Amino acid sequence: SQKIEQNSEALNIQEGKTATLTCNYTNYSPAYLQWYRQDPGRGPVFLLLIRENEKEKRKERLKVTFDTTLKQSLFHITASQPADSATYLCALPPLSGGYNKLIFGAGTRLAVHP
Amino acid sequence: GAGVSQSPSNKVTEKGKDVELRCDPISGHTALYWYRQSLGQGLEFLIYFQGNSAPDKSGLPSDRFSAERTGGSVSTLTIQRTQQEDSAVYLCASSRGGGDTDTQYFGPGTRLTVL
Repeated sequence: SQKIEQNSEALNIQEGKTATLTCNYTNYSPAYLQWYRQDPGRGPVFLLLIRENEKEKRKERLKVTFDTTLKQSLFHITASQPADSATYLCALPPLSGGYNKLIFGAGTRLAVHP
Repeated sequence: GAGVSQSPSNKVTEKGKDVELRCDPISGHTALYWYRQSLGQGLEFLIYFQGNSAPDKSGLPSDRFSAERTGGSVSTLTIQRTQQEDSAVYLCASSRGGGDTDTQYFGPGTRLTVL
């Protein structure tokens, strides 16, 4: 079955630096990958979707890359701010089809310090 | 506009009791999803409703779990004879359609604690 791995350790960075989060997956080739943000006590909020034929996608201070050879996506936040502190989840469609059933990683917690 | 709402926000119950969790999706959204999030884990898909189609129940962990969606809008997730391992945050999401890349909008979740 497919497996999604995100760094379980929190990422601590200083305000103004670039945060880079990693999502690795195994055992299949998804047609797309999504990134979500989740704040404590809240549901996830969709941020970006990148398709398998796209190498990179940007939205304001966010940048996502998708390397289908390495089976990895990198999520970057440039000029990070304390307000960016949250848990970031990657999600992929399932191997078995039924693309609406997203498979989520456990998430990486980001803490941006002033 | 109003987002996805869920109730109750917190539910504490005793082992063996039944619980009902409610989800009000965004008006006009035809697709509705239930997920479960255990501490330190990713979201686990439970069930999916799309319009009048038969629901996809492939993620329900046991026959103690069931869900219905009345009138294509509000959904209720029912857990019978709750067990301690059912303790988790139950999240509901809705999307405009059932397309594979339709954005899913999540509610705040219901935190279920089974004592």
